[in-house]
Amino acid sequence: SYELTQPPSESVSPGQTASITCSGDKLGDKYACWYQQKPGQSPVLVIYEDSKRPSGIPERFSGSNSGNTATLTISGTQAMDEADYYCQAWDSSTGVFGGGTKLTVL
Amino acid sequence: EVQLVESGGGLVQPGRSLRLSCAASGFTFDDYGMHWVRQPPGKGLEWVSGISWNSGSIGYADSVKGRFTISRDNAKNSLYLQMNSLRAEDTAFYYCAKDKSAAGTFPMDYWGQGTLVTVSS
Repeated sequence: SYELTQPPSESVSPGQTASITCSGDKLGDKYACWYQQKPGQSPVLVIYEDSKRPSGIPERFSGSNSGNTATLTISGTQAMDEADYYCQAWDSSTGVFGGGTKLTVL
Repeated sequence: EVQLVESGGGLVQPGRSLRLSCAASGFTFDDYGMHWVRQPPGKGLEWVSGISWNSGSIGYADSVKGRFTISRDNAKNSLYLQMNSLRAEDTAFYYCAKDKSAAGTFPMDYWGQGTLVTVSS
């Protein structure tokens, strides 16, 4: 079965740029999306179709996808961006999530 | 405003059954695919099942195939998940989520608050 791999944790200083990677076999041939989940809350879609932002998502969130790796980038990271982030893709009409990355802003 | 409200969770013994429901409002329900996603307490997300707008396309995770059945009633704006032969590893928060498209294989742009299913004797 298809797998997506994320680092368990990343840390970033306020105002700096955070990058979270998601790896999978030929992931660049698929669309990747990203969800943000804060403690006690439901996930929120922050990036879809590799690099598109849903309405209401700040411009500091961006994404890319090429080769075997998709990347979520948060520019000018704020304290409110501290959360778990999950990548997701579709493989043969089956949904696949990465294991999640806990982003700490310190 | 899009709203998805799950219900039907609770404590159930291993081997028994449970049916989850999701009441949708704030959008044209039969224009979109829908999904169930679960999350064991303190762990990551797992896609469970998805269904297209007209129930013509349905998919399941290998972990639930043959035990869980997804369905929808467009007249009632409702999504369901029938869970049979439940196991301890099915213990999780179960989220109902709306697909961005009718097909049911696109990102999930709205999520409910989740309902907790606990499988234990």
